[in-house]
Amino acid sequence: KAGVTQTPRYLIKTRGQQVTLSCSPISGHRSVSWYQQTPGQGLQFLFEYFSETQRNKGNFPGRFSGRQFSNSRSEMNVSTLELGDSALYLCASSLVLAGDSEQYFGPGTRLTVT
Amino acid sequence: DAKTTQPNSMESNEEEPVHLPCNHSTISGTDYIHWYRQLPSQGPEYVIHGLTSNVNNRMASLAIAEDRKSSTLILHRATLRDAAVYYCILRAPASNTGNQFYFGTGTSLTVIP
Repeated sequence: KAGVTQTPRYLIKTRGQQVTLSCSPISGHRSVSWYQQTPGQGLQFLFEYFSETQRNKGNFPGRFSGRQFSNSRSEMNVSTLELGDSALYLCASSLVLAGDSEQYFGPGTRLTVT
Repeated sequence: DAKTTQPNSMESNEEEPVHLPCNHSTISGTDYIHWYRQLPSQGPEYVIHGLTSNVNNRMASLAIAEDRKSSTLILHRATLRDAAVYYCILRAPASNTGNQFYFGTGTSLTVIP
């Protein structure tokens, strides 16, 4: 069974631009979560989707948004990029949305904002 | 949201057992205890989880205190491939709002050959 895939793997953008990152969950998984990882802040939760509905949202500005499609694939968008948005963006999928669900992570998208 | 406290770093000799502690004094009765690890240049990887009873799988064992305010991840024989950052996380049931994973800073495990 294929794992979680994220595209693109690397991205360089300029301040002020916007970016869209994509995540394909493991087949059959219906929940997708997004995280931002930076050396200074560690792993921070962005949002979680289940059955095309956002179920949880982390403490990030409105420039960060996401959505989930009917096939469970998810995208996240960052508008008006800032230098501080440079980070590794990780996507994770789980079978269902439950306290005991295991999350499976993708390799991440490395975003560099210049 | 309940948080966890872990030591910043630990060292272990190769082929010896490793006990990674985690304190979660504000845990609620329905929170699950999860452990993930992140190897260098990779996304986090699921290790184990439990609710009240001790748990074992092929990767590790999870020992949960009777009052559930602390837990210990046990790697029975550390190998060089176990060198990673280990995260202890609490996760509420899906029916609760704000039940997302909070990763914290984790414990960086160094395995000495």
